[in-house]
Amino acid sequence: ETGVTQTPRHLVMGMTNKKSLKCEQHLGHNAMYWYKQSAKKPLELMFVYSLEERVENNSVPSRFSPECPNSSHLFLHLHTLQPEDSALYLCASSYSGYENTDTQYFGPGTRLTVL
Amino acid sequence: GNSVTQMEGPVTLSEEAFLTINCTYTATGYPSLFWYVQYPGEGLQLLLKATKADDKGSNKGFEATYRKETTSFHLEKGSVQVSDSAVYFCALRTSGTYKYIFGTGTRLKVLA
Repeated sequence: ETGVTQTPRHLVMGMTNKKSLKCEQHLGHNAMYWYKQSAKKPLELMFVYSLEERVENNSVPSRFSPECPNSSHLFLHLHTLQPEDSALYLCASSYSGYENTDTQYFGPGTRLTVL
Repeated sequence: GNSVTQMEGPVTLSEEAFLTINCTYTATGYPSLFWYVQYPGEGLQLLLKATKADDKGSNKGFEATYRKETTSFHLEKGSVQVSDSAVYFCALRTSGTYKYIFGTGTRLKVLA
C-alpha cells in the first residue's frame, strides 16, 4: 500500500534540533491530517488541512508547526521538542474531510525519539 | 460529546478460534463507524466500515454490524490466524466535523 507515504520512518533528535516530517498522498484527496500516537493513549488528532487550509488545530504546542503547500503534501516542522514528544506520528488523508462517510487512509508513520 | 469504548486487551486466542472485539459508541446524529487495524511497525489500515444503521461491513473474513439500538459495532471473525495478530481500533465519524473519534485499541495475539 503506497497511497500515503511518510519520511523519514525513524527520527532521533535532540531537544535543540530542528527537523521536519514529510507526508505525501497519491490518492487525489483534498484533506490531510497529522496524528500523534503514544503508548497506551488514544490517537490524538493534531492538525487537519482541507484544500490546503488549516481547519483544525487541537491545542498543539507551538513547537509543532504544520505546513501544507498543496493538497498532496503535508509537513510537520519540529523545534525544541521535549522527551514527552517521543511518539509515532501518523499522517492520513481523505477525500473531502467533512462528510461522515469520508474514509481516512493512513501512512506508515514516523517513529520519533527525542533525547 | 462523542466517544468510543473498546474492550481492554490484550486478547489472546489460539489459531482458528472465534474472535469478538466489543465496541460501543456515544454520538449525536448519525455517525459512520469504522474498524482499523495496525500491524507492528505500521500505520493504521482501514479494515471495514458501515455508514448507516443495520449495515454490515466485511473484509478479509472480519465482519461488524452497525447496531443503532445498542450503539455497538462489534468486530467478529470466525477463525483467526496468526497473521491477524495486531491492534484493532474502532472509530466513528459524524458529519459537520473533521474529527474521527478513535477507541484506545485492542491488541490481539493469536498463537499457533
